[in-house]
Amino acid sequence: EADIYQTPRYLVIGTGKKITLECSQTMGHDKMYWYQQDPGMELHLIHYSYGVNSTEKGDLSSESTVSRIRTEHFPLTLESARPSHTSQYLCASSEGQGDTGELFFGEGSRLTVL
Amino acid sequence: GQNIDQPTEMTATEGAIVQINCTYQTSGFNGLFWYQQHAGEAPTFLSYNVLDGLEEKGRFSSFLSRSKGYSYLLLKELQMKDSASYLCAVMDSNYQLIWGAGTKLIIKP
Repeated sequence: EADIYQTPRYLVIGTGKKITLECSQTMGHDKMYWYQQDPGMELHLIHYSYGVNSTEKGDLSSESTVSRIRTEHFPLTLESARPSHTSQYLCASSEGQGDTGELFFGEGSRLTVL
Repeated sequence: GQNIDQPTEMTATEGAIVQINCTYQTSGFNGLFWYQQHAGEAPTFLSYNVLDGLEEKGRFSSFLSRSKGYSYLLLKELQMKDSASYLCAVMDSNYQLIWGAGTKLIIKP
C-alpha cells in the first residue's frame, strides 16, 4: 500500500483566497508530481519535482506554485483561488531510478471555489 | 500534437472477458502504462509495457504494438469490483506522461 498523503481531502473556499494543498510521502521517492483531474477527463500535469530544490512547470502551472524543501514534502499553493480552479488535485510520487517507475497517487484533494 | 485515444465507456457482463483499446500518437515513446481508477479514488498502477507483446498479470493482461501505436488491456473473469475507469498513459521522449481520458467500464450481473 502506497504511503502518500494529501490534505485537505475536501475544501470549499471563496474567490480570491490563498490556499495550500499538502502532499507528503514516506517512501523516500525522489520524483513527485501534482496533477489536476476533472470528472471523465485526462490528468493534466501542473508541476513536478525530481528532487530537493528541483521544481518544474507542467501544462497548467501558470496560476500555482510549488516548493520542494524536503524529499517527503511537496505542497501546492494557489495564490488567489478562482471558480475555474474547482477540480480534483492529485499528488503522486515515483522512484528515482530511471524514468519509467510507476506512479503512486495520494487520495486527492477536491477543491471547490465559490 | 500528442494524443491518446480510448473509448469513453464500455459495458460487460460479470464473468466475461473485455478488451479496452488505446491508440496513441506521441513524440517519442518510453513505455505505456495502464492504471485503474475507481470512482472518487486515486489511480492505481496495473501494468507497464515498453516492448511489443503481451504482459500477463493474473486476470489482467496488457498488449503493446509500437509500430501500430496501439495497446489493449484485457480483463478476464470479470468481477463487479472491476467496475472502474481504466487510464492509458504514454511516456514520451521527454519522459513526460501523456494521459488518455480513461475508459469507464461498467460490469453488469
